Amino acid sequence: GQQLNQSPQSMFIQEGEDVSMNCTSSSIFNTWLWYKQDPGEGPVLLIALYKAGELTSNGRLTAQFGITRKDSFLNISASIPSDVGIYFCAGPPTGNQFYFGTGTSLTVIP
Amino acid sequence: DAGVTQSPTHLIKTRGQQVTLRCSPKSGHDTVSWYQQALGQGPQFIFQYYEEEERQRGNFPDRFSGHQFPNYSSELNVNALLLGDSALYLCASSPGTATYEQYFGPGTRLTVT
Repeated sequence: GQQLNQSPQSMFIQEGEDVSMNCTSSSIFNTWLWYKQDPGEGPVLLIALYKAGELTSNGRLTAQFGITRKDSFLNISASIPSDVGIYFCAGPPTGNQFYFGTGTSLTVIP
Repeated sequence: DAGVTQSPTHLIKTRGQQVTLRCSPKSGHDTVSWYQQALGQGPQFIFQYYEEEERQRGNFPDRFSGHQFPNYSSELNVNALLLGDSALYLCASSPGTATYEQYFGPGTRLTVT
């Protein structure tokens, strides 16, 4: 099946630092979404992207839809302790079936 | 406004048994999708229900079946449980099949012994 690879797999950063992570696929996506999952909880939608090259912000979060339509990027500025969690990219390459990425685990050190 | 709710929160079953998980979508949403999330992995799509019919299905065996009721709530049934079925089962809802912005419930943690 479809594989979405996220990198890095994990990150340990100091509070206040900026964070960058990305997601790549072997197929073209028409929509990219970014989710955050806290332990024991379901994923929470952060940002949705619908057009190649699109740059969208949600507070300190900014995501971009890659121009090749095979990748997407998420940046977090001025990280705070509550940013800790696992970040997933997701999207439907065809039809309505969703694929999730492998996840990036973020740890913020106060 | 209640979000997506799931029951039960935790469940322990024995190999070979059957289990039913339940989901109530967010108010105003009529589409429900189910996912399986193994420990340390991303969620994997099981199937999606809209207008009480299965619209899309992921790569899961027929032991996994579902149902959607007229009030849009949904059930996930798993028969002949295997140890490998132990996972967090997530339900997500959305307002129609045309949007990919899904909202997730907290999940049901299933342990098969």
